[in-house]
Amino acid sequence: DAGVIQSPRHEVTEMGQEVTLRCKPISGHNSLFWYRQTMMRGLELLIYFNNNVPIDDSGMPEDRFSAKMPNASFSTLKIQPSEPRDSAVYFCASSLSLGEQFFGPGTRLTVL
Amino acid sequence: RKEVEQDPGPFNVPEGATVAFNCTYSNSASQSFFWYRQDCRKEPKLLMSVYSSGNEDGRFTAQLNRASQYISLLIRDSKLSDSATYLCVLPNTGGFKTIFGAGTRLFVKA
Repeated sequence: DAGVIQSPRHEVTEMGQEVTLRCKPISGHNSLFWYRQTMMRGLELLIYFNNNVPIDDSGMPEDRFSAKMPNASFSTLKIQPSEPRDSAVYFCASSLSLGEQFFGPGTRLTVL
Repeated sequence: RKEVEQDPGPFNVPEGATVAFNCTYSNSASQSFFWYRQDCRKEPKLLMSVYSSGNEDGRFTAQLNRASQYISLLIRDSKLSDSATYLCVLPNTGGFKTIFGAGTRLFVKA
């Protein structure tokens, strides 16, 4: 079975550019999470969807960040405009209700 | 006090050693916990779930101490492949917010 799929795996962009990260959760899972991981701050929950509806976006750092889940099999995290301090690994995870979360391989973002 | 606190380590142990990590939490209402393992440059993966008093799986034992509000992870007979970061996780705290600890790094040496 395919796990959580994320694309791209690596992204290098210049400050000010728009960045879109994509995630396909495991089929049948109804909860989706976006995380950001850095050495300084560890793993931070950015936003959580349940049945495609955003439930908690209190972790979204600022208005430059936005996330959507148009259907049960796809979600995006967008950063516009990007800044060097956004450089991190962004993970998407999915779960069935509130059980074990399965993580994707992550997107390593570098903003120059 | 942080919701979840872990000793960042690193713990450097020889093969075959027994090593234990603790994780303290502040939400006394928490009923269950997870331990996740994260290898270098990889995604976190579930290692063990901890309900009621604890759980055991082969060389790994997780225990919960509600009175003192900490959970522990014990690894017996350490292997080189156990080298990783171990994350303590509080799932589903108020508002369905999952809280990950910062992780404890373990290095097992030959």
